[in-house]
Amino acid sequence: AQKITQTQPGMFVQEKEAVTLDCTYDTSDQSYGLFWYKQPSSGEMIFLIYQGSYDEQNATEGRYSLNFQKARKSANLVISASQLGDSAMYFCAMREAYNNNDMRFGAGTRLTVKP
Amino acid sequence: DTEVTQTPKHLVMGMTNKKSLKCEQHMGHRAMYWYKQKAKKPPELMFVYSYEKLSINESVPSRFSPECPNSSLLNLHLHALQPEDSALYLCASSQGDRLNEKLFFGSGTQLSVL
Repeated sequence: AQKITQTQPGMFVQEKEAVTLDCTYDTSDQSYGLFWYKQPSSGEMIFLIYQGSYDEQNATEGRYSLNFQKARKSANLVISASQLGDSAMYFCAMREAYNNNDMRFGAGTRLTVKP
Repeated sequence: DTEVTQTPKHLVMGMTNKKSLKCEQHMGHRAMYWYKQKAKKPPELMFVYSYEKLSINESVPSRFSPECPNSSLLNLHLHALQPEDSALYLCASSQGDRLNEKLFFGSGTQLSVL
């Protein structure tokens, strides 16, 4: 069963504006980790940000922040001050405690930043 | 050195060929992964090696054979592939298998099976 859901196949944002990419997940584990990766057209997966299930504060990394709502099982990525170089595929991923080696990805969202 | 290096970057092979994909990291990571990614789809986990032992095999056909000769190297041996196996093959590594450990990815091998 699909455990990571990204409902936005494509998103557009104006340069310098903020954008939110949605991610919901399903797990019965109390311990899990949530990740966001960026994949430019070159193909390499680039790690952006991490949120642990027990972290009380939302994670932030530069222009990236994670809006973590545990009760709703959502982990949305917020990109502030969008840049043209942010145009890429964005994947949400999860690791669960029962099988730490297993990182699964959502279907992804293609973000296009308009000048 | 924070890189995961994959070779070759591109590979075209016939259905009767035998070829290998190579992945290397020198970060001292003890977990290494193979993912398969079809166009416009997310990466799909194929194999995981943890401390040089195969810990996950996601019911991958036997025409794909992984090998981990040492903690820095990961190979994927290919034999008698089908055209539907054409995809981007991504290698990744992580320090271990704790929940907060991110994966470092290589740039992938774009495989075409004719």
